[in-house]
Amino acid sequence: GEDVEQSLFLSVREGDSSVINCTYTDSSSTYLYWYKQEPGAGLQLLTYIFSNMDMKQDQRLTVLLNKKDKHLSLRIADTQTGDSAIYFCAESIGGGYQKVTFGTGTKLQVIP
Amino acid sequence: EAGVAQSPRYKIIEKRQSVAFWCNPISGHATLYWYQQILGQGPKLLIQFQNNGVVDDSQLPKDRFSAERLKGVDSTLKIQPAKLEDSAVYLCASSLGHGTSSSPGELFFGEGSRLTVL
Repeated sequence: GEDVEQSLFLSVREGDSSVINCTYTDSSSTYLYWYKQEPGAGLQLLTYIFSNMDMKQDQRLTVLLNKKDKHLSLRIADTQTGDSAIYFCAESIGGGYQKVTFGTGTKLQVIP
Repeated sequence: EAGVAQSPRYKIIEKRQSVAFWCNPISGHATLYWYQQILGQGPKLLIQFQNNGVVDDSQLPKDRFSAERLKGVDSTLKIQPAKLEDSAVYLCASSLGHGTSSSPGELFFGEGSRLTVL
C-alpha cells in the first residue's frame, strides 16, 4: 500500500538552507513530486523527479531521491520569507491510470 | 489558460444537512480528482475520474458521499447527510493523465471549498 510520511514542522532563518524530508513505501512509484501550499490556496507543483533519477536541480531547489531507502528530500537554498508555506511530498503510481498520493505536509516557517 | 474552478469557496451547514460542491477542470484534462484535506493533514483522495468513468473510489464513504462527472467535464461532489468529521477543505484537481518521461503528470488544483459542519 501507499503511505507517504513527512515531519510536521521546520523553522529556518532567512538566507539559510532548508531541507524537507519524506519517506514513501510504494517502490513502484514512477514520479515523485513536491507541491507547495500557501494559506487559503490550492496546491501548486514546485518540482518533481522521475523515479530513475537520483538528483534534480532547479535554481534554488535540489531534489534528492534514494530509492533503496524510499527517501526523498527537498533542499531550498537561500530560503526567503516568501518560501514560508506547507510543502507536500507526493508519489505517482502508474499502471492503468495515474494515482497520486500525498504526504502529511511539512510547514516551513522562515524567520526574518 | 483558465485554471480549475471550484464553488462555493465556503459553506457552513449543520450536521445531517446536505451539501454539494462543483468543479470545472482545465479544458482537455481527462483526469479529475476530488481530495479531502482535513486541517493539519495532507490531501486524501476521495474519488478519481478518467473522462466519464470512475477509476478509484476506494476511500469514498459511499453511504454519504457521491460524485459524478457530467459528460467528462464538470464534476459535483455531494455529501448527504453531513457529519461533524466531514469538516474539511474539498480540493478538486485535474491532469492530462499519465506521466511520461517528458511530462510529469502534474495535478492542477482549484482553491478548494471549505466546509464547516456544526
